[in-house]
Amino acid sequence: QLQLQESGSGLVKPSQTLSLTCAVSGGSFKSGGYSWSWIRQPPGKGLEWIGYIYQSGTTYYSPSLKTRVTMSLEGSKNQLSLTLRSVTAADTAVYFCARVNLEMGRALDTWGQGTMVIVSS
Amino acid sequence: QSVLTQPPSVSGTPGQRVTISCSGSSSNIGSNSVKWYQQVPGTAPKLLIYNNNQRPSGVPDRISGSNSGTSASLAISGLQSEDESHYYCEAWDDTLSASVFGSGTEVTVL
Repeated sequence: QLQLQESGSGLVKPSQTLSLTCAVSGGSFKSGGYSWSWIRQPPGKGLEWIGYIYQSGTTYYSPSLKTRVTMSLEGSKNQLSLTLRSVTAADTAVYFCARVNLEMGRALDTWGQGTMVIVSS
Repeated sequence: QSVLTQPPSVSGTPGQRVTISCSGSSSNIGSNSVKWYQQVPGTAPKLLIYNNNQRPSGVPDRISGSNSGTSASLAISGLQSEDESHYYCEAWDDTLSASVFGSGTEVTVL
């Protein structure tokens, strides 16, 4: 059974860089028909899509974040990563990674449990 | 402000049928498939519906999705206490070249 586990910096100072990784286990990380995504959720608010990364390395990012965000895949480690630069308090959120099922219309069919990131000095 | 608009809350009594609307535009719901997710507070979302009206294995058939033009709906029949959650729609937006989530709807079982 596929499992995703986020980890990374839980507390980040304003203007610094947030870095997260998502470890994928129990399934083939490089299977065709799937890509990967990051989503976040500020405390008490709704879900916000951050971006997709395909197996080819092609990325799509949220217009509101694209100047600050980078997503990458590390196939040898079965993990994906997220970097968000120049963070502010507005970036405080639970960050989720998820598998994108391309045959299901790019549905997010498997999610990690999420990791809380707080931006504060 | 979300690109996809949902009512903040809906409620019903056990056994009732409730529907949640998701209003968008021709660049998202009008031209791409809609997904629906259920999220119990403090946990990760769970996929309920994909390709507008398809259920992943394990999702009961009292959950259904539909589309009409630039709007989509999620229906829950035979409402149960376990259905108390937040629900989100999602669709790709061709103009933004990005995926967008609805604002979310809280379902309360009275």
